[in-house]
Amino acid sequence: DTEVTQTPKHLVMGMTNKKSLKCEQHMGHRAMYWYKQKAKKPPELMFVYSYEKLSINESVPSRFSPECPNSSLLNLHLHALQPEDSALYLCASRGTSGMGEQFFGPGTRLTVL
Amino acid sequence: GEDVEQSLFLSVREGDSSVINCTYTDSSSTYLYWYKQEPGAGLQLLTYIFSNMDMKQDQRLTVLLNKKDKHLSLRIADTQTGDSAIYFCAEWRNRDDKIIFGKGTRLHILP
Repeated sequence: DTEVTQTPKHLVMGMTNKKSLKCEQHMGHRAMYWYKQKAKKPPELMFVYSYEKLSINESVPSRFSPECPNSSLLNLHLHALQPEDSALYLCASRGTSGMGEQFFGPGTRLTVL
Repeated sequence: GEDVEQSLFLSVREGDSSVINCTYTDSSSTYLYWYKQEPGAGLQLLTYIFSNMDMKQDQRLTVLLNKKDKHLSLRIADTQTGDSAIYFCAEWRNRDDKIIFGKGTRLHILP
């Protein structure tokens, strides 16, 4: 298994909803990332987990709550989002070669109404 | 300003070579990458180059690195319609455990 999977592919939610995004990899990678990408922009780093511990939080609002239950899974819990949070949310994991390369999932397209 | 700079748009005829250029600022970056993103998809790692190399070739892709000028380029030979995408240049800052992306170059293929 050489890929990063993300579910759901699309998500529409209201501002009062609670939802979660899920990311999974079975490549034995020990660092996982959440990015937010707006249209025609590069990905913006949100969180980094290294060995299942949160190592970087790029000053993301608390309505986004990451969780790493084990070395293969990464979740992003969403609560009370705003319409400007609508974006493509990308998960990535870092390879073990020492080259720092990150492998990306296909993303979840989130729309907040 | 942006730490990684690249032009936003490139238009190339099918069958010609495409050259996408990038400049970066952190001379301590050890690895530099090119990612490809097709519409509605995630980022695909195309190739990478280590900072002590000046060239890397992989089938139709050639990466050139000028470390003195902090200039990176990606050449795609025999450009095809399937190469139409956004190409992101990126550098790995291992001290921060972060990949810094450029704004992306949209490659448009003319028939």
